[in-house]
Amino acid sequence: SQQGEEDPQALSIQEGENATMNCSYKTSINNLQWYRQNSGRGLVHLILIRSNEREKHSGRLRVTLDTSKKSSSLLITASRAADTASYFCATDESGANSKLTFGKGITLSVRP
Amino acid sequence: DAGVIQSPRHEVTEMGQEVTLRCKPISGHNSLFWYRQTMMRGLELLIYFNNNVPIDDSGMPEDRFSAKMPNASFSTLKIQPSEPRDSAVYFCASSLIYGYTFGSGTRLTVV
Repeated sequence: SQQGEEDPQALSIQEGENATMNCSYKTSINNLQWYRQNSGRGLVHLILIRSNEREKHSGRLRVTLDTSKKSSSLLITASRAADTASYFCATDESGANSKLTFGKGITLSVRP
Repeated sequence: DAGVIQSPRHEVTEMGQEVTLRCKPISGHNSLFWYRQTMMRGLELLIYFNNNVPIDDSGMPEDRFSAKMPNASFSTLKIQPSEPRDSAVYFCASSLIYGYTFGSGTRLTVV
């Protein structure tokens, strides 16, 4: 069953613009992670935010977490054509070495 | 480190045949996960191991699927007999504590 549900399903923006992607989930979590998948490749871990954190930054990525609303957002600033990929949120309910439940993903297209 | 290594990258087989997918996790990682990805169902966890021990196999579709991890550096996912509905991309991932490293996947086509 899906835990994370991303929104929108697809997003198309111009290079240089910011991209905001949202994720909602259903149960209590230990942490929430975002991954990127380029076409034909495996997923790549981008960033992890713990349940007691509200915001985290990594380079051009900014992720927020609102546990009261069971939602997270991923912001990519100053997007580049190379950011074109699918983005997934994944929730970890149990802690270290436990399974992740992935959403169905958001397809981001960045037009040069 | 070469990352998580999966083989083969592509597999085309006839319905009813046995298929074996292989995975070599990152050295030192103690958890290994098998996922299946399809357009319709997204990423589904099939089974995962901690320290070579299967922890949760509730995602394995049916008895036709089996997975083993005989040592810390190798795991297999076997489908016997294969069916067309098993066509998907199968990913192996490993982790130490948090954050998975995925392999490039095996694209399986059952005709």
